[in-house]
Amino acid sequence: AQTVTQSQPEMSVQEAETVTLSCTYDTSESDYYLFWYKQPPSRQMILVIRQEAYKQQNATENRFSVNFQKAAKSFSLKISDSQLGDAAMYFCAYRGTSGGGADGLTFGKGTHLIIQP
Amino acid sequence: NAGVTQTPKFQVLKTGQSMTLQCAQDMNHEYMSWYRQDPGMGLRLIHYSVGAGITDQGEVPNGYNVSRSTTEDFPLRLLSAAPSQTSVYFCASRLPGQGENTEAFFGQGTRLTVV
Repeated sequence: AQTVTQSQPEMSVQEAETVTLSCTYDTSESDYYLFWYKQPPSRQMILVIRQEAYKQQNATENRFSVNFQKAAKSFSLKISDSQLGDAAMYFCAYRGTSGGGADGLTFGKGTHLIIQP
Repeated sequence: NAGVTQTPKFQVLKTGQSMTLQCAQDMNHEYMSWYRQDPGMGLRLIHYSVGAGITDQGEVPNGYNVSRSTTEDFPLRLLSAAPSQTSVYFCASRLPGQGENTEAFFGQGTRLTVV
């Protein structure tokens, strides 16, 4: 079974600075997808960024980018120019392609990101 | 677009009571799933469906039933609620297969308390 580990329960960063959230995973599959979801106090799960394992290029979405290291099974999220609205829980998630569980998502335990004004 | 709609948003049940959490999506997504989120934990898969009439168990299925009679709806039933089922429940849907535009869309969640 796949596992996803987020080793930072909480991170704090000054507004306008850069922060990196860590995520590692364990899998025996060669093809899969990785996601970062944001969960603000409203509880809504919001997709931040996705990465296909077969793509070597790291995904980028505006101020959000990932560092995907397939051999190390590492998938970190970098947030540049942090804004107050970035404060939330961030979840790293894995989705396989082997068909079991309709390729449901396996989540890490989350990182609580605090933005200091 | 409504996206994925869950009702109710909050519910308090007594131990032993039954109830159904509703989930509806208007994106014509074949894949639908239910997750629960407990404090200090990520979301865990309860049940999923790959289309009308097809359901299967996820990681934590005990105590829950599902059915899928239409593409749009995927209700989650608690037959006899237990305090251990106190949690936030999320419904999600997505297009089948892999590739672009197959990411999961989530409802806003239902906070369930069993006393």
